[in-house]
Amino acid sequence: DTAVSQTPKYLVTQMGNDKSIKCEQNLGHDTMYWYKQDSKKFLKIMFSYNNKELIINETVPNRFSPKSPDKAHLNLHINSLELGDSAVYFCASSQGTGASGNTIYFGEGSWLTVV
Amino acid sequence: SQQGEEDPQALSIQEGENATMNCSYKTSINNLQWYRQNSGRGLVHLILIRSNEREKHSGRLRVTLDTSKKSSSLLITASRAADTASYFCATDGGNTPLVFGKGTRLSVIA
Repeated sequence: DTAVSQTPKYLVTQMGNDKSIKCEQNLGHDTMYWYKQDSKKFLKIMFSYNNKELIINETVPNRFSPKSPDKAHLNLHINSLELGDSAVYFCASSQGTGASGNTIYFGEGSWLTVV
Repeated sequence: SQQGEEDPQALSIQEGENATMNCSYKTSINNLQWYRQNSGRGLVHLILIRSNEREKHSGRLRVTLDTSKKSSSLLITASRAADTASYFCATDGGNTPLVFGKGTRLSVIA
């Protein structure tokens, strides 16, 4: 009964491959996010969806494409993986958009290693 | 752009001591939150303080906010080995999403 679940937890893949990370939340939240945490622990937002609609799209290469089939799911597809894409990717959700001081609930992270 | 900056980057203390972490930010905010991340896990919300609040308590946690100095502090009293984790501050303002700092790595030695 994990609130925000993402799969896979670990992913090792070769440069140039395409991979997807899936995320689901069972909290009934309206907003979902993808964050990237680099090796220095810096956590940066990538995308945010509210009720399946993209509301935040930070400066992220267009090789990264989020897809939200419904408000409980937000998947992340990455094309032509590069070494620099190696990081931990966190899915998260909140009731609001964060501007109103809502708590963000994070998944356990997906460790992506590109070799 | 990055908003919160935690200080120190790393902190090592003995069990039972108090741990203080600081966060500075650059622009006006509506709220500031503190999160905790255990090694290999996701972030977990600890406490939220609104811009019109100066201090807030939750169990062994005490958060202060000084909007004139654009800074916040997180105090963990009577620390335990289980408090070992990274602690992040996150700010929001207007219609912007939460922006996280780089975190403070706290080690509590038993």
